[in-house]
Amino acid sequence: GAGVSQTPSNKVTEKGKYVELRCDPISGHTALYWYRQSLGQGPEFLIYFQGTGAADDSGLPNDRFFAVRPEGSVSTLKIQRTERGDSAVYLCASSPSPGRSSGNTIYFGEGSWLTVV
Amino acid sequence: SQKIEQNSEALNIQEGKTATLTCNYTNYSPAYLQWYRQDPGRGPVFLLLIRENEKEKRKERLKVTFDTTLKQSLFHITASQPADSATYLCALCASGGSYIPTFGRGTSLIVHP
Repeated sequence: GAGVSQTPSNKVTEKGKYVELRCDPISGHTALYWYRQSLGQGPEFLIYFQGTGAADDSGLPNDRFFAVRPEGSVSTLKIQRTERGDSAVYLCASSPSPGRSSGNTIYFGEGSWLTVV
Repeated sequence: SQKIEQNSEALNIQEGKTATLTCNYTNYSPAYLQWYRQDPGRGPVFLLLIRENEKEKRKERLKVTFDTTLKQSLFHITASQPADSATYLCALCASGGSYIPTFGRGTSLIVHP
């Protein structure tokens, strides 16, 4: 597709359940980012992939959160034992080649709205 | 600690006027600063980037200034239109790292016809 694609667009789950959120970045983009956004707040960084490896996972809030990108394209954010406080929009973004020369413009998907009840 | 501050109160202006939004930061050495637009229920969309050694950047009706001494960026929309109503996010990319954008909370702009 032309843009970053995220599925599902909406997910309602019960407290304690496991959730997977999928991101399909723009073709050819090597960098992939996951952010989380709560109502009235800006996007909060979670994890950054360069190719297949997690180059920076300093934003993951705890060990219930994990993300993979096994083939350097599609990524999955996994949340175990969900809590009500995990309710937010999870945004995925990609960029062609991060760094000073490119200016690191990133392209966002529309987000996956997660509600934990 | 590092902070990016954007006015949490919505900015209400009349159509045709210039909207000015502010982004202040502390404890950052940004390589560049970006502005994004976000509509309700949508992901942010990149608008403009300005580098640390640039004072001003323009794109159509948009203008961004960057003062690294004051640690402030101003984002202007001239001849504003109701379609410009959205939340505008400022993001900093720090030097010396992987240039991961760190976002402010955004300011809501409402342009009245």
